[in-house]
Amino acid sequence: SQTIHQWPATLVQPVGSPLSLECTVEGTSNPNLYWYRQAAGRGLQLLFYSVGIGQISSEVPQNLSASRPQDRQFILSSKKLLLSDSGFYLCAWRGSWVGDGYTFGSGTRLTVV
Amino acid sequence: SQQGEEDPQALSIQEGENATMNCSYKTSINNLQWYRQNSGRGLVHLILIRSNEREKHSGRLRVTLDTSKKSSSLLITASRAADTASYFCATAPTGSARQLTFGSGTQLTVLP
Repeated sequence: SQTIHQWPATLVQPVGSPLSLECTVEGTSNPNLYWYRQAAGRGLQLLFYSVGIGQISSEVPQNLSASRPQDRQFILSSKKLLLSDSGFYLCAWRGSWVGDGYTFGSGTRLTVV
Repeated sequence: SQQGEEDPQALSIQEGENATMNCSYKTSINNLQWYRQNSGRGLVHLILIRSNEREKHSGRLRVTLDTSKKSSSLLITASRAADTASYFCATAPTGSARQLTFGSGTQLTVLP
């Protein structure tokens, strides 16, 4: 069966420090991968999505970047965090069929101090 | 930008009652999906309805879709305290169905 792993669960980082959040998927190949951010009590904002290795589409200009070095690995990064980067970050995957639902990871709570 | 907008933003009911949440969207869609999120956790996919479908059932869930009004509703029958969560609708637009756009959610509280 397919599973998705996202870590760490919580992270407190100082302003100006780098960031690396990792997401991996097991039990499937060539998944569509997504990074979303959720502000407190709000909906989800799509940050990046990827349909294949090395293929990254950015939805929102920001202080973040994403990479997909392997088929089932999706990494969210920042060189220098801002206070406004605080939030709940969610990774998700979907199969190749548009009728599939998304499967989400358990999320990373990032607090920039 | 938010495509779907849920209504109401918050809903509080007694156990055993039915809960109805609505979602409106703006553009043409390939499908519409509903997700549930427990506090501080990831989202869980509940049900998907295609643009050519009008109603779909899954257990205690009933989803309707009216593409002429660009709206959908999620009905949870015989609610339980364990149904307490946030519920989000998400739309997959036509022509670019690789990513979902989520609404801002309805916070449902079911009182025991």
